[in-house]
Amino acid sequence: AQTVTQSQPEMSVQEAETVTLSCTYDTSESDYYLFWYKQPPSRQMILVIRQEAYKQQNATENRFSVNFQKAAKSFSLKISDSQLGDAAMYFCAYRTSGSRLTFGEGTQLTVNP
Amino acid sequence: SAVISQKPSRDICQRGTSLTIQCQVDSQVTMMFWYRQQPGQSLTLIATANQGSEATYESGFVIDKFPISRPNLTFSTLTVSNMSPEDSSIYLCSGTNRGPYNEQFFGPGTRLTVL
Repeated sequence: AQTVTQSQPEMSVQEAETVTLSCTYDTSESDYYLFWYKQPPSRQMILVIRQEAYKQQNATENRFSVNFQKAAKSFSLKISDSQLGDAAMYFCAYRTSGSRLTFGEGTQLTVNP
Repeated sequence: SAVISQKPSRDICQRGTSLTIQCQVDSQVTMMFWYRQQPGQSLTLIATANQGSEATYESGFVIDKFPISRPNLTFSTLTVSNMSPEDSSIYLCSGTNRGPYNEQFFGPGTRLTVL
């Protein structure tokens, strides 16, 4: 069974600094997708970024980028120039084509002014 | 991306009663799901809502407790039946779009408190 592990229950960062959230996963599949979701106190789950396993290039979305290491089964999220609005719970998620999402346990990010 | 709304946004219910949560998507989605989330924890999948047929339930969830309907491609309901305080949680609806990545989008959730 696929599993997703986020080893950092909590992280904090100073405003304008950079923070990296860790995620590892376990799978025997070769074709899959990885996602990072953000859940602020409003509870709304927001898709931050996605990565296709067949792509070697790391995905980027403005201040958000990933470090995808397929051999190591690692998928970390880097947030640059952190803003107060980045404070949220972040979930790493995995799925294969046509299957359901498997979520990690989440990392609560605090941004200090 | 699809926009998903849920009603009600929150409710406080008495033990032994039932509550039906509605999920509406503004465009057709291929799949719809229902999740439960305890405060500060990850999401647990309850079931996949199948259009015009019985939902597919995950281990630990049964149809008698969580009946689900999906009469068309943009609407689904989840009923929490015979509620107990242990059912107090946030319930989220989600749907996958028709794009190449089948991205999954979520509703704002329904916060349920059972007294």
